[in-house]
Amino acid sequence: EAQVTQNPRYLITVTGKKLTVTCSQNMNHEYMSWYRQDPGLGLRQIYYSMNVEVTDKGDVPEGYKVSRKEKRNFPLILESPSPNQTSLYFCASSLSASTLEQYFGPGTRLTV
Amino acid sequence: KQEVTQIPAALSVPEGENLVLNCSFTDSAIYNLQWFRQDPGKGLTSLLLIQSSQREQTSGRLNASLDKSSGRSTLYIAASQPGDSATYLCAVRPTGGSYIPTFGRGTSLIVHP
Repeated sequence: EAQVTQNPRYLITVTGKKLTVTCSQNMNHEYMSWYRQDPGLGLRQIYYSMNVEVTDKGDVPEGYKVSRKEKRNFPLILESPSPNQTSLYFCASSLSASTLEQYFGPGTRLTV
Repeated sequence: KQEVTQIPAALSVPEGENLVLNCSFTDSAIYNLQWFRQDPGKGLTSLLLIQSSQREQTSGRLNASLDKSSGRSTLYIAASQPGDSATYLCAVRPTGGSYIPTFGRGTSLIVHP
């Protein structure tokens, strides 16, 4: 089954404790991205990746890191989480950046 | 900076009604527009993607139109069903090589039996 998976689905942590949220897709998509969704603000893109080893900042990259060492995986790293990073996070992928018909993961609810 | 507005923010209708959800954007220089559905506690499901050169797209009971010059898109849902209850989001991707889409805040739809 074609899908985007995220782990963990729920996470409660404390300020400053490094964490990683994993994202994996099995569709051989080139383009992957991370979003956060906050009430009243909608979905905002954090980082995106055009392909392996190619990443770039979205609208709200501060406090986050990403890496794309393999095509299928695109982890989101919070080196020192803060309470303002409490949010619902989504990973998404599409065949290419120009296609941009995106497929979303189920979401990770993070509480800091 | 692109702004995307969705009206109404919430809508409650009886089953069987035909619905129109609206999405407006301030910058008409868009590459495409995509409509999504989001169920509570779940991710987004792509419904329809309209390229900037297209006027509309149809899938089953859904029809999305795009008027780039006026900065508007509408999602038409025919013969609504309780299973259509969800939040509907639109997103626009700009031209000019940017791959950062701008999302609206969504319309929360409830279809009651």
